Amino acid sequence: GNSVTQMEGPVTLSEEAFLTINCTYTATGYPSLFWYVQYPGEGLQLLLKATKADDKGSNKGFEATYRKETTSFHLEKGSVQVSDSAVYFCALSSIGGTSYGKLTFGQGTILTVHP
Amino acid sequence: SAVISQKPSRDICQRGTSLTIQCQVDSQVTMMFWYRQQPGQSLTLIATANQGSEATYESGFVIDKFPISRPNLTFSTLTVSNMSPEDSSIYLCSVEREWNNEQFFGPGTRLTVL
Repeated sequence: GNSVTQMEGPVTLSEEAFLTINCTYTATGYPSLFWYVQYPGEGLQLLLKATKADDKGSNKGFEATYRKETTSFHLEKGSVQVSDSAVYFCALSSIGGTSYGKLTFGQGTILTVHP
Repeated sequence: SAVISQKPSRDICQRGTSLTIQCQVDSQVTMMFWYRQQPGQSLTLIATANQGSEATYESGFVIDKFPISRPNLTFSTLTVSNMSPEDSSIYLCSVEREWNNEQFFGPGTRLTVL
């Protein structure tokens, strides 16, 4: 079955530091890949997505590239801000058969950014 | 994006009782899902709510414990039956826009079972 593995957290950074959160996946076929973010006290929001190999999703300074050869979708940001403190979830969506539309989530990574 | 509301936003319930959670979407959608997020954990799919037919449950979840209704394309309910403290979680509904494969989540219902 499908699975998503994220780097263990929590991650603590100083403001303006470079961020990488690793995500690897196992899936049959060609899933779509997503990063979701959950800010303190708020609901789950879609941050970015990529639907095919070599696609790069980007939003709010965050980027992730769909790497089929390494089955990875690592999240990066060049300069984090205190407001980026949140929980980040990597997820994949099956696009065919009876599993269509179902999201499989990684375990989540807590990011804390200090001033 | 879609505007999704859930009721109640939170509740504290006694062991052995049941709670029904409502999910309302601002436009018609084909795909609706129910997820559970246990404390400090990731999200796990409970079931897909199908309009006009029975929900499709994931392994480990059964209809007797989590009955779901989907009377139309904008509304669904999830009932957590015969609750125990292990059911304390955040329950979220989500919808998918089929044409762009993006899924949007409701604000969640935080359930505490005593």
